[in-house]
Amino acid sequence: GENVEQHPSTLSVQEGDSAVIKCTYSDSASNYFPWYKQELGKGPQLIIDIRSNVGEKKDQRIAVTLNKTAKHFSLHITETQPEDSAVYFCAASIWAGGTSYGKLTFGQGTILTVHP
Amino acid sequence: DAGVIQSPRHEVTEMGQEVTLRCKPISGHNSLFWYRQTMMRGLELLIYFNNNVPIDDSGMPEDRFSAKMPNASFSTLKIQPSEPRDSAVYFCASRSDRALTYGYTFGSGTRLTVV
Repeated sequence: GENVEQHPSTLSVQEGDSAVIKCTYSDSASNYFPWYKQELGKGPQLIIDIRSNVGEKKDQRIAVTLNKTAKHFSLHITETQPEDSAVYFCAASIWAGGTSYGKLTFGQGTILTVHP
Repeated sequence: DAGVIQSPRHEVTEMGQEVTLRCKPISGHNSLFWYRQTMMRGLELLIYFNNNVPIDDSGMPEDRFSAKMPNASFSTLKIQPSEPRDSAVYFCASRSDRALTYGYTFGSGTRLTVV
């Protein structure tokens, strides 16, 4: 089955700096890669996702890049703010359309702390 | 939209007791997932349903765990008998096969403590 490795496990940055979290996956058939943010006491929330037919996707201060050859993808957060402090999870899935059930395999998570 | 609703938010029970966790998915979503989160093992998929049918229960740790989805708006995860090592946060998530985005929507979770 799919295995997703996520690094680093903890990341501490100063407000305004950039933060990068990296993930690798094992199954070359995986084609859908979402990122989730989990705040204390809450469930994970989808913040951005990318499909294997694109190499990069941006949404305001966050971006995700994908290297299919190397089987790794990364989350980039620019101009970090204290409210970005949370646990971030990457995930991978094989998506084959209407008959695929979208089972996600998650990385271990990264605790991001943004210091004011 | 009220989102995915889980109950209870917190559950403390004694070892050996039966525990039932409940989930109401988002209306119109036809896939439902139960995950368990612990510090040691992260987010683990226990079971998922599509159109109320269990598709993959290979993540269910033991026969003590069972899950049902009697209709499109309700699912339960039952642990009988419960053990201290079952202590974790249990999340339910749902999604629609017809959605433009493939991401799940998670509930707020049930924090289970077995003493």
